[in-house]
Amino acid sequence: EIVLTQSPGTLSLSPGERATLSCRASQNVNSDSLAWYQQKPGQPPRLLIYGASRRATGIPDRFSGSGSGTDFTLTISRLEPEDFAVYSCQQYGDSPPITFGPGTKVDIK
Amino acid sequence: QVQLVQSGAEVKKPGASVKVSCKTFGYAFNGYYIHWVRQAPGQGLEWLGWINPQNGDTYYAQKFQDWVTMTRDTSINTAYMELSRLTSDATAVYYCARGFLQGDYFDFWGQGTLVTVSS
Repeated sequence: EIVLTQSPGTLSLSPGERATLSCRASQNVNSDSLAWYQQKPGQPPRLLIYGASRRATGIPDRFSGSGSGTDFTLTISRLEPEDFAVYSCQQYGDSPPITFGPGTKVDIK
Repeated sequence: QVQLVQSGAEVKKPGASVKVSCKTFGYAFNGYYIHWVRQAPGQGLEWLGWINPQNGDTYYAQKFQDWVTMTRDTSINTAYMELSRLTSDATAVYYCARGFLQGDYFDFWGQGTLVTVSS
């Protein structure tokens, strides 16, 4: 099973600042099968990024994903008020199980 | 538009079973896998497995193999997840989500169903 570790656990920033979130895998993630989700309280996750770097439909271009192998990054170039939420990474490579990271909370400083 | 609509919250006693439904709209039900994911209070997301609506094939994560059953009814474009022999550890929000492949990202999610197990 591929274990995903996310850092930091909490990121305290102000609107307009840049957010950099890390997701590290215990083994190589095949074919860059890594996705990022945003989740707000009481809501289901919302797909932001798939294939490590491809933005999902309707996602603003201030969200970008990068990385390969075992190290992946989600960057929010300039935080908007609606971006304060929990962000989780997911790997969906060749072999099950699908696994998620524990999440990074981005809160207002 | 694509929607996954889940059944309402449930409260169950330890040892009981619960069945959660996921009715889909706006796309070809047989064309996408339905995955189930849970989230315990204050915790991260945990994948339970998938069902292929086209033929009913299922795959369960090892941790859940002994107490989860996934089924579907293609006549009403609905998937189901049943949990048996519930314990308090099963208290969580359960989500259904759509994925094109067995191993895939999830582009649409249900709204979630809170299952509370309490004596």
